[in-house]
Amino acid sequence: QVQLVQSGGDLKKPGASVKVSCRASGYTFTSYAIAWVRQAPGQGLEWMGRLSTHNGNTNYAQKFQGRVTMTMDTFTSTAYMELRSLTSDDTAVYFCARLNVRRLGMNREPQNWFAPWGQGTMVTVSS
Amino acid sequence: DIQMTQSPSSLSASVGDRVTITCRASQNIRNYLNWYQQRPGKAPTLLIYAASNLQSGVPSRFSGGGSGTDFFLTINSLQPDDFASYFCQQGYSFPRTFGQGTKVDIK
Repeated sequence: QVQLVQSGGDLKKPGASVKVSCRASGYTFTSYAIAWVRQAPGQGLEWMGRLSTHNGNTNYAQKFQGRVTMTMDTFTSTAYMELRSLTSDDTAVYFCARLNVRRLGMNREPQNWFAPWGQGTMVTVSS
Repeated sequence: DIQMTQSPSSLSASVGDRVTITCRASQNIRNYLNWYQQRPGKAPTLLIYAASNLQSGVPSRFSGGGSGTDFFLTINSLQPDDFASYFCQQGYSFPRTFGQGTKVDIK
């Protein structure tokens, strides 16, 4: 079955970097982009960006520009998200999700949605 | 950025109730709207895509609709498994944005 399995939780000091992995299985990795979404404790969901797995192109939320890098290893079907210069505000659960894209109806642009999601990786930033 | 506003933020309901959650976009997003369910401590799962399309494997008591700026998610005959949080998300423009969530708990 289609599955995304993420790396384990991490504790980082302010100013450090964290790299979260997301290993895909059950489908052709390069056929679907991977999105990253985070959720601070008790808060909502925040889209961080996406990685096109067929060519490595990325699209980052402006909030994270210059501080985030999304990469991949097609040989192991693994996507990575690195976030630098961490502060306590970055304490959150980080999710990867497969981006599904499909043309429906008469819309010019294809519909898109996230499914499935990885189990999440808790990143705690504390001194 | 497109702002997504859900209402209510929380609600209490009983098993068997019919529940409707609304989501309003700050601009026209046509039907580029998805709904997710998130149980405590778990990852979100997709319920509805493109405003009204039921994801495979999702029970038919879930339905969605709307277009433009106003959307809804309805759960007919609420089941114990449905007590969770629900999020809408727009797929119309970047950055993708989510509603703040609606928590459904047991009355």
